[in-house]
Amino acid sequence: DAGITQSPRHKVTETGTPVTLRCHQTENHRYMYWYRQDPGHGLRLIHYSYGVKDTDKGEVSDGYSVSRSKTEDFLLTLESATSSQTSVYFCAISESDTGDPSGTFGSGTRLTVV
Amino acid sequence: KNQVEQSPQSLIILEGKNCTLQCNYTVSPFSNLRWYKQDTGRGPVSLTIMTFSENTKSNGRYTATLDADTKQSSLHITASQLSDSASYICVVSAGDYKLSFGAGTTVTVRA
Repeated sequence: DAGITQSPRHKVTETGTPVTLRCHQTENHRYMYWYRQDPGHGLRLIHYSYGVKDTDKGEVSDGYSVSRSKTEDFLLTLESATSSQTSVYFCAISESDTGDPSGTFGSGTRLTVV
Repeated sequence: KNQVEQSPQSLIILEGKNCTLQCNYTVSPFSNLRWYKQDTGRGPVSLTIMTFSENTKSNGRYTATLDADTKQSSLHITASQLSDSASYICVVSAGDYKLSFGAGTTVTVRA
C-alpha cells in the first residue's frame, strides 16, 4: 500500500497489557486515521490526527490513546488490552489538506488479545 | 444517525459473468461516495469516487453509479475474473473526517 507501513502486522498479547501499534507514512500528509474492522461491522474510526500533536477522538475511542510527535508517525496505544479489542486495525492517510480521507489505507495489524 | 447499508451481504458468481452490488445511505450532508475493494488480509483500495453531481464513474471493469436524490449507489462488475473475489465496501463522506462505512459485500468468483 503506497506510502503507508503498519507495524507489527500481527500481534498476540495478554489481557491487561499495554500495546502500541505504529503507522508510518512517507508522503508527509497532514491527516492520519486509525480504524478498527470487525466481522459484520464497517470500519470504525478510533482516533485521527490533523497535524503534529493535534489529535481527536473518533466514534470508538474508549480504551485507546494516540500520539503524533512527527508528521510521519501516528501511534495507537491500547492502554490495557481487553478481549473486545481483538480486531484488525487499519491506518489511513488523507491526501487532501481538507481532511477528507482520500482512500489510502495501510495493510492492517491483526491484534489478538488472549 | 448516518448509515450505509449494503446488499447483498455476499454473492457467488461464475467467472465471466456480471454482477451488481447495492449501497443505500442516509448520510447528511453528503460530500462524496467511494467504493473500495478489500482483498483478504489487505487494506481497502479505492476503486471509484463520486461527488454529488456525478452519476457514473468507471474504473476498468468496475462501474459505479450514484443517484443522490434516492441516496443509492451501485457497483457493477463486468466480465468477472477470479481476482475480483474480495469484499467491496461503500463509504460515504459527510466532509472533513466523517466517513460512514458499509459492512461490505463479499464477492466470490468461481471458475
